[in-house]
Amino acid sequence: GQNIDQPTEMTATEGAIVQINCTYQTSGFNGLFWYQQHAGEAPTFLSYNVLDGLEEKGRFSSFLSRSKGYSYLLLKELQMKDSASYLCAVMDSNYQLIWGAGTKLIIKP
Amino acid sequence: ETGVTQTPRHLVMGMTNKKSLKCEQHLGHNAMYWYKQSAKKPLELMFVYNFKEQTENNSVPSRFSPECPNSSHLFLHLHTLQPEDSALYLCASSQRAGDSSYEQYFGPGTRLTVT
Repeated sequence: GQNIDQPTEMTATEGAIVQINCTYQTSGFNGLFWYQQHAGEAPTFLSYNVLDGLEEKGRFSSFLSRSKGYSYLLLKELQMKDSASYLCAVMDSNYQLIWGAGTKLIIKP
Repeated sequence: ETGVTQTPRHLVMGMTNKKSLKCEQHLGHNAMYWYKQSAKKPLELMFVYNFKEQTENNSVPSRFSPECPNSSHLFLHLHTLQPEDSALYLCASSQRAGDSSYEQYFGPGTRLTVT
């Protein structure tokens, strides 16, 4: 079966750095997406990786290793507004998005 | 209006009721999606429409019936639901389905409670 694993919850301190990991086992691979979802709101797109390596976008970076079935989202200079759930999703060989259950990130002052 | 809108935002219905969820996208996209989001579970893809044609139906019970009259509007008709159908129903759109280069844009969802 297809599976996306990510930690259920993480806690970090304002101003610090946090890394949210995602491992996947899917039938085929056509890219990996990260979305942010604040409580009671719509998920919003953060990043897309299809080649190995690091993609940097401001305070957020996303890394992919296809051989290891592994990605991480790195958040720097954490702010209170970064408290949200972070969803990892992989597009499989049928171009369907397979979603993880999300990681709830709690930022403490 | 901009982005993807959904109405109603909250819905409480009995198991014998019939109701409909509405989604509208103002992004000029050609693909629209219905997802179910339950607490602590992954998003479950229910239906996909690409250029108004249904391309996916992921073994969804017949008590959920989608309708896509045009590329901008998507409905989910509900009847004789079960309490386990209580969840957040999210609508999304993208430029087209089956293309990894286009991310999906989500609406705020309808929080459905079945009593």
